[in-house]
Amino acid sequence: RKEVEQDPGPFNVPEGATVAFNCTYSNSASQSFFWYRQDCRKEPKLLMSVYSSGNEDGRFTAQLNRASQYISLLIRDSKLSDSATYLCVVNPRGGSARQLTFGSGTQLTVLP
Amino acid sequence: GAVVSQHPSWVICKSGTSVKIECRSLDFQATTMFWYRQFPKQSLMLMATSNEGSKATYEQGVEKDKFLINHASLTLSTLTVTSAHPEDSSFYICSASRLAGEQFFGPGTRLTVL
Repeated sequence: RKEVEQDPGPFNVPEGATVAFNCTYSNSASQSFFWYRQDCRKEPKLLMSVYSSGNEDGRFTAQLNRASQYISLLIRDSKLSDSATYLCVVNPRGGSARQLTFGSGTQLTVLP
Repeated sequence: GAVVSQHPSWVICKSGTSVKIECRSLDFQATTMFWYRQFPKQSLMLMATSNEGSKATYEQGVEKDKFLINHASLTLSTLTVTSAHPEDSSFYICSASRLAGEQFFGPGTRLTVL
């Protein structure tokens, strides 16, 4: 089983739509969780951290369910510029060890 | 925000040559830097963790004698791909970690070995 598993995608949605991505992680001791976005042939960029209580940043809402080892990202009112690959990222060890484990990513295309 | 640079951004070399990639944190000190590799349509795979002033920790399956890492200062880590072969062609990305645990990525280096 992969350490971090994501929806395979791709997701093709019209502009203005709401889209949700899911992610599960295998290590129950994981400490930190993130969503990154990666544009084609570019480096990943931090979109948002994911906190236990859930958090929102503008049109983006992230949720964490530790019991189910499940993370989600909700994008409201999709924009064309949201088209990218979204990576679910977990710090499996936490503490002073800062290695990150990446999911394989979910590709999103927002259509005009 | 935190800025990480990489150089070169792309390189084409002949099989058997060595290629050095530099990773710099421009506006913060990074005690830990990470090196990743990404093949087309695949996710980032951690190759090694680089700690300033000590030997790098390599992930399973990554040859330390082939991928030499030097982290000589708090702002610079280098990855040298020795005796590169076509199967080493990939997108190499570094990241630098701040104390809060967030990682900031360099723009990546696209290596093509002919």
